[in-house]
Amino acid sequence: EAQVTQNPRYLITVTGKKLTVTCSQNMNHEYMSWYRQDPGLGLRQIYYSMNVEATDKGDVPEGYKVSRKEKRNFPLILESPSPNQTSLYFCASSLIGGLNTEAFFGQGTRLTVV
Amino acid sequence: GENVEQHPSTLSVQEGDSAVIKCTYSDSASNYFPWYKQELGKGPQLIIDIRSNVGEKKDQRIAVTLNKTAKHFSLHITETQPEDSAVYFCAAGSGAGSYQLTFGKGTKLSVIP
Repeated sequence: EAQVTQNPRYLITVTGKKLTVTCSQNMNHEYMSWYRQDPGLGLRQIYYSMNVEATDKGDVPEGYKVSRKEKRNFPLILESPSPNQTSLYFCASSLIGGLNTEAFFGQGTRLTVV
Repeated sequence: GENVEQHPSTLSVQEGDSAVIKCTYSDSASNYFPWYKQELGKGPQLIIDIRSNVGEKKDQRIAVTLNKTAKHFSLHITETQPEDSAVYFCAAGSGAGSYQLTFGKGTKLSVIP
């Protein structure tokens, strides 16, 4: 089954404790991205990656890091989480083929930073 | 960069009525306009998309219209059913070379049985 898998689904952590949210896709997609979803603000892109070892900032990258060492994986790293990073996070992937194509989203990770 | 405005933020309709959600965009280079449906506890899922060389596209009870001159596009759902209740997001993206999608803030649709 084609899917994007995020882990964990729920996470409560304390300010300053480094954490990683994993994302994996099994569709051989080149393009992967991370979004955060906040009430009244919709989906805002954090980082994206066009391919292995090619990452770039989205609209709200501050406080986040990513890496793309393998095509299927795109982890999101919070080196020193703060309460304003409490949010619902989504990973997405899509095929690059000359035109924008469907973005497949994971189930989401609800992060609470206390 | 691109800016996408979506209205209304909430919409309630009676079962069987139609629902319309409207979006405007700012970047004339945008040429891909998908709509996503997000059910409670799930990630957004594509329901229909349209490219700038097409003015209207239909898929059963769902249709999307695009007016490139006015830079707006709309989602139309006819004969609404309770299972249509969800949050709907419009988005805009440009073509080859940039695969970023800019999303609207979402519309929470409630279909009242």
